[in-house]
Amino acid sequence: QSVLTQPPSVSAAPGQKVTIPCSGSSSNIGNHYVSWYQQVPGTAPKLLIYENNKRPSGIPDRFSGSNSGTSATLAITGLHTGDEADYYCGTWDSSLSGKVFGGGTKLTVL
Amino acid sequence: EVQLVESGGGLVKAGGSLRLSCAASGFTFSEKSMNWVRQAPGKGLEWVSSITTGGSYKFHADSVRGRFTISRDNAKNSLYLQMNNLRVEDTGVYYCVREIGSTSSMDVWGRGTTVTVSS
Repeated sequence: QSVLTQPPSVSAAPGQKVTIPCSGSSSNIGNHYVSWYQQVPGTAPKLLIYENNKRPSGIPDRFSGSNSGTSATLAITGLHTGDEADYYCGTWDSSLSGKVFGGGTKLTVL
Repeated sequence: EVQLVESGGGLVKAGGSLRLSCAASGFTFSEKSMNWVRQAPGKGLEWVSSITTGGSYKFHADSVRGRFTISRDNAKNSLYLQMNNLRVEDTGVYYCVREIGSTSSMDVWGRGTTVTVSS
């Protein structure tokens, strides 16, 4: 069982918006930056969001991150089929003295 | 081009050892903390180990502590993971990953090397 909790799957229609939640605690999300990663099956993960809400160069502004207390959210607008992938949240956990990930959320664009 | 290339994976019996390597290029390796992250077949991401820029501080997940050791050679732009007393549950793809500053965000990932531990 993962330290960070994500729903196993979400879905939405092309062009719509979807949000993926990530729930943690005060030892992780509540006091440390959150990152989000996208992984297309069979490929390495890619960084989408860092420091809660910053996008690396080349990541479109359709992807955004936000935090509230011990939870974080990834939002994706203007969905298209190319966004189908697994999405993971990650952060540092001061109780474990290590990095932790959510269990991952599979996005289906119907 | 910033690149991380892993090597050293393979098939090993439970109780055996492997040493993974990661060759870095396209950036100043000595200025970045580095990590190993693994993914079991059909499962999610699991952080394994981290090492700071000079190698003074090392962190390992509870699941591998005492069995795995992360190290680096800045002169060779290389990261390593020595894996001893391997277990079947250590099977998976192992990624070499670069870290951004001190935020725990990981911005560059290698393609991974596959480790298979048989019983």
